[in-house]
Amino acid sequence: GESVGLHLPTLSVQEGDNSIINCAYSNSASDYFIWYKQESGKGPQFIIDIRSNMDKRQGQRVTVLLNKTVKHLSLQIAATQPGDSAVYFCAAISGTYKYIFGTGTRLKVLA
Amino acid sequence: NAGVMQNPRHLVRRRGQEARLRCSPMKGHSHVYWYRQLPEEGLKFMVYLQKENIIDESGMPKERFSAEFPKEGPSILRIQQVVRGDSAAYFCASSPPPTLWSYTDTQYFGPGTRLTVL
Repeated sequence: GESVGLHLPTLSVQEGDNSIINCAYSNSASDYFIWYKQESGKGPQFIIDIRSNMDKRQGQRVTVLLNKTVKHLSLQIAATQPGDSAVYFCAAISGTYKYIFGTGTRLKVLA
Repeated sequence: NAGVMQNPRHLVRRRGQEARLRCSPMKGHSHVYWYRQLPEEGLKFMVYLQKENIIDESGMPKERFSAEFPKEGPSILRIQQVVRGDSAAYFCASSPPPTLWSYTDTQYFGPGTRLTVL
């Protein structure tokens, strides 16, 4: 079946360093991808998205890279801050609404 | 523009009772989705509704679970005769209807309802 997996369950990063969170998806029909941030006790918060006709998209301090050949997605956070500590999920979407979420990567920012 | 609203935020029920979770989508959004999240896991799709219609309930257990999104009022996820295994966080998301230039719309999530079954 479909799956979206993450390579590392926990990532610890020094404050000020860059963070890279990876995600693999299995459904080659996925054409829309989103990264969400979930803080403890809260709902997922939209960070950035990318469609399959692109391979890179930048936001404020965040960049998403998409490699369709190997079905891989990454989220890069520049100059990581304590407020970035959270669980990050990628979602792969095929069609109009079928979101397949990964398990999540916990990002810990060390002072 | 208020975000997706869910209530209650926390709900405690004893085995056998009913749980009723409410979701008010963002203004202008007519599509609602319900997800379940177990601790340390990702979100699992349960059901997709539009006003007065269930579009896809393939992720929802056939027994004890039901969902509705009436013409007026919030969407309701109802769990009858709850069991301990129903304990989880339940998230609602909403999206606007598709447009001519965007057939896939971003889902925006509410804060969730944390259900604990004793």
